[in-house]
Amino acid sequence: DTAVSQTPKYLVTQMGNDKSIKCEQNLGHDTMYWYKQDSKKFLKIMFSYNNKELIINETVPNRFSPKSPDKAHLNLHINSLELGDSAVYFCASSQTTSGGGEQFFGPGTRLTVL
Amino acid sequence: GNSVTQMEGPVTLSEEAFLTINCTYTATGYPSLFWYVQYPGEGLQLLLKATKADDKGSNKGFEATYRKETTSFHLEKGSVQVSDSAVYFCALSFRIKAAGNKLTFGGGTRVLVKP
Repeated sequence: DTAVSQTPKYLVTQMGNDKSIKCEQNLGHDTMYWYKQDSKKFLKIMFSYNNKELIINETVPNRFSPKSPDKAHLNLHINSLELGDSAVYFCASSQTTSGGGEQFFGPGTRLTVL
Repeated sequence: GNSVTQMEGPVTLSEEAFLTINCTYTATGYPSLFWYVQYPGEGLQLLLKATKADDKGSNKGFEATYRKETTSFHLEKGSVQVSDSAVYFCALSFRIKAAGNKLTFGGGTRVLVKP
């Protein structure tokens, strides 16, 4: 019973293509996030959604479009993929009322753009 | 803005050695502080946390104390095992618009424990 799951785990594609990564959490959390981890392991937040509402939108190209059909799902669609988009993308979730604010992460999706 | 600085790795040590990973932060206000661990090929797992000054987080033999005066949250373990080999991330968090939290991560420290 995976808490935060992502599909696919690996994604290899050509420059210029459009791809999507899906994320689901079964923890009953109300907030979900997308993070990007580059080749040097540096992690940076991209987006967060609370109850399907966009809360955080960092400086991310508008080729990246998150979609939250319900509070258990947060998908990431990427248009016109570029070489620099190659990274590991992590989905995470948290519960707003949790005083500690800890986030629970998925296993990651390794995107390789050729 | 907020930032987290942690010692660069890799840190290589022998089994049963003492491990310390330094972490300092810059923030306006008093964030919650976390250590996350990433084992090879896996996602991040919360290792421990502290939500206010002088709190000590502990888990699996690891400890870290929230030091407001030095804005630090150093991670320690008294006797490491090969299975502790991983990348360790220090992070801080503030609540955003009373809905969710924004984690700011340090650069990660790779730890390699040799038998």
